[in-house]
Amino acid sequence: EVQLVESGGGLVQPGGSLRLACVGSGFFFSSYGISWVRQAPGKGLEWVAVISGTGGTSYSADSVRGRFTISRDKSRRTVYLQMDSLRAGDTAIYFCARHPSVDASNYFDFWGQGTQVTVSS
Amino acid sequence: SYELTQPPSVSVSPGQTASITCSGDELGNKYVSWYQQKAGQSPVLVIYEDTKRPSGIPERFSGSSSGNTATLTLRGTQNMDEADYFCQAWDRTSAIFGGGTKLTVL
Repeated sequence: EVQLVESGGGLVQPGGSLRLACVGSGFFFSSYGISWVRQAPGKGLEWVAVISGTGGTSYSADSVRGRFTISRDKSRRTVYLQMDSLRAGDTAIYFCARHPSVDASNYFDFWGQGTQVTVSS
Repeated sequence: SYELTQPPSVSVSPGQTASITCSGDELGNKYVSWYQQKAGQSPVLVIYEDTKRPSGIPERFSGSSSGNTATLTLRGTQNMDEADYFCQAWDRTSAIFGGGTKLTVL
């Protein structure tokens, strides 16, 4: 069974940092791209960043570029989202989602349950 | 920046057909996927590559695309289909989501 489990969310002050983790199981981890997608309270889905299955290619949304960094650790079957210089507008549930292939420029076939990030003083 | 436009809400009676549209420039040249999100849950893929249905998704869900508009159609809508629906496509190196449509089954 494919599973994605996020962790690392919490309450952080503006300007602070958090590192989210997404652990995958039930599939060959290196063969699939992974994205982070967020959802602010009462709002729609917003794509944040993607990393290919090999980790060699990554892209991020304009709204987070220069502040958030996506990476992956093959041995730990984990994709990370390092979030720096956090703002109130980054408050959201953060989901990780799997792409059905290594190059990750397509749809999201499985989603995790999400982790809450709240940026507030 | 690229945008996908969806109606904020659609209402349908049980057993009837609901259609949710998603429009964007040259959308017909991109693959569109659709996600269902019920209250308090994670999104679920219901249609990918415009018209394909993942295993486990009921046949009443179908997708189509023509010109600048993609459409998600639910035939014989059931109460359990009440949810938010999001379309999604890629624009160069960014994934774009529509604003979402709240489907109400009256």
